[in-house]
Amino acid sequence: QVQLQESGPGLVKPSETLSLTCTVSGGSISPYYWTWIRQSPGKGLEWIGYIYYSGSTKYNPSLESRATISLDTSKNQFSLRLRSVTAADTAVYYCARQFRYFGQMDVWGQGTTVTVSS
Amino acid sequence: EIVLTQSPGTLSLSPGERATLSCRASQSVSIDFLVWYQQKPGQAPRLLTYGASSRATGIPDRFSASGSGTDFTLTISRLEPEDFAVYFCQHYDGSPLFGQGTKVEIK
Repeated sequence: QVQLQESGPGLVKPSETLSLTCTVSGGSISPYYWTWIRQSPGKGLEWIGYIYYSGSTKYNPSLESRATISLDTSKNQFSLRLRSVTAADTAVYYCARQFRYFGQMDVWGQGTTVTVSS
Repeated sequence: EIVLTQSPGTLSLSPGERATLSCRASQSVSIDFLVWYQQKPGQAPRLLTYGASSRATGIPDRFSASGSGTDFTLTISRLEPEDFAVYFCQHYDGSPLFGQGTKVEIK
């Protein structure tokens, strides 16, 4: 079955760029949305954005100015870049597969903790 | 912008009891686009229900979703030990939005 695995640095300095990659195995990139979600310590879930298999993207307006999601179909990977991070960006970051119509996220990565600290 | 408010914040129940979790939207939405997840400590959320009344693969029938307009409910008919967790609702209108969660704890 489809599995997702996040990878990237666990520690990022303030003002720098957070970069994460999600590797999709066991299934096809199409015809889904590929989504990034984060969860701050002890808090709820926050949608960051998604990329469609065609390459089109949509972002949470609160993060749109700093976030970029890209897709590498040759590697079955999609990536998140979040610029100018602060301590408020410290969170567990999840990648997930999202269905286009009802919007449900049925496959999730295990999550990766990113701490923003000098 | 729609806001999802889940209540109660914490629900203390015993195994075998019925759990009723609420998700209220700040404006009317279709249950077709209301999704429920379960999250256990240290784990990613797990999809429970979507598309009005559909259960995700492998989800037992003790989990059911209902509601309309602004008020939606996830019901767990008889709590099993593995059901004690945090539950999130999510609305989708092109941009996913989550409620803040309800923790179901053992009484």
